[in-house]
Amino acid sequence: AQSVAQPEDQVNVAEGNPLTVKCTYSVSGNPYLFWYVQYPNRGLQFLLKYITGDNLVKGSYGFEAEFNKSQTSFHLKKPSALVSDSALYFCAVTPNTNAGKSTFGDGTTLTVKP
Amino acid sequence: SQTIHQWPATLVQPVGSPLSLECTVEGTSNPNLYWYRQAAGRGLQLLFYSVGIGQISSEVPQNLSASRPQDRQFILSSKKLLLSDSGFYLCAWSGPDRTNQPQHFGDGTRLSIL
Repeated sequence: AQSVAQPEDQVNVAEGNPLTVKCTYSVSGNPYLFWYVQYPNRGLQFLLKYITGDNLVKGSYGFEAEFNKSQTSFHLKKPSALVSDSALYFCAVTPNTNAGKSTFGDGTTLTVKP
Repeated sequence: SQTIHQWPATLVQPVGSPLSLECTVEGTSNPNLYWYRQAAGRGLQLLFYSVGIGQISSEVPQNLSASRPQDRQFILSSKKLLLSDSGFYLCAWSGPDRTNQPQHFGDGTRLSIL
C-alpha cells in the first residue's frame, strides 16, 4: 500500500526567508508526485508534479520541489517566502499503474510572518 | 478551459435528513471523478471515484453513496445523515486513464449536521 508522510503539522518562516515543506512517500514502483495548496474554504490547487526526468521540478508561484529517490522524499521549497504563501500544503503520490489512485498527506500549515 | 462546479457551498442539515451534493465538470470528456471528505482542515479521505458513467468505486464503508448519471456529473447522496457526516466535501476530476496528471478540485461544500 502507498503512503505519504508530512512530518510537520506547522512550518513558520519570516517573509523573505527560504521555506521548505517536507514530504516522504512509500509506493511500489516509480511514483508520480504532486504538491497542492489550499486556502481557507477553498479546494486544493495544483502547484507542481514530478513524473520523470530532472529531480528539481519548478511550479507555480515560484515554488519548486526536489525529488530524491534514495530518500523517498519530495520536499517543497521556495527561495523567498511571501506572506501570501501562508496556506495549507498537501503532498500526494500516485503509483504509475492504470488503477493508481492518489494518496494525500495530512497537510502542513505554512505561516509566513512579515 | 476546464472548470469544475460544486454546490451548494454550505449546507446545514438535521440528523436523519437526506443529502444530495452535485458536482459538474466542463471542458473535458470522460474525466475520472472523485469525492473526498476533509475533516478539520486536514487530510483528505477518498470516498468514491468513478472512471465512467455508472462506474463507481467505494473506498470506505459508510452511509453515503455516489452516482454518475452523466459523463461530467457526479452526485454524492445519503438517505439519512449522521452527525459524523459533518465535514468539508470536495469533488475533483483528472484526465482519463492518466495517473500522471494532477487532480483539479472544486471549492467544496461545507456540511454541518445538527
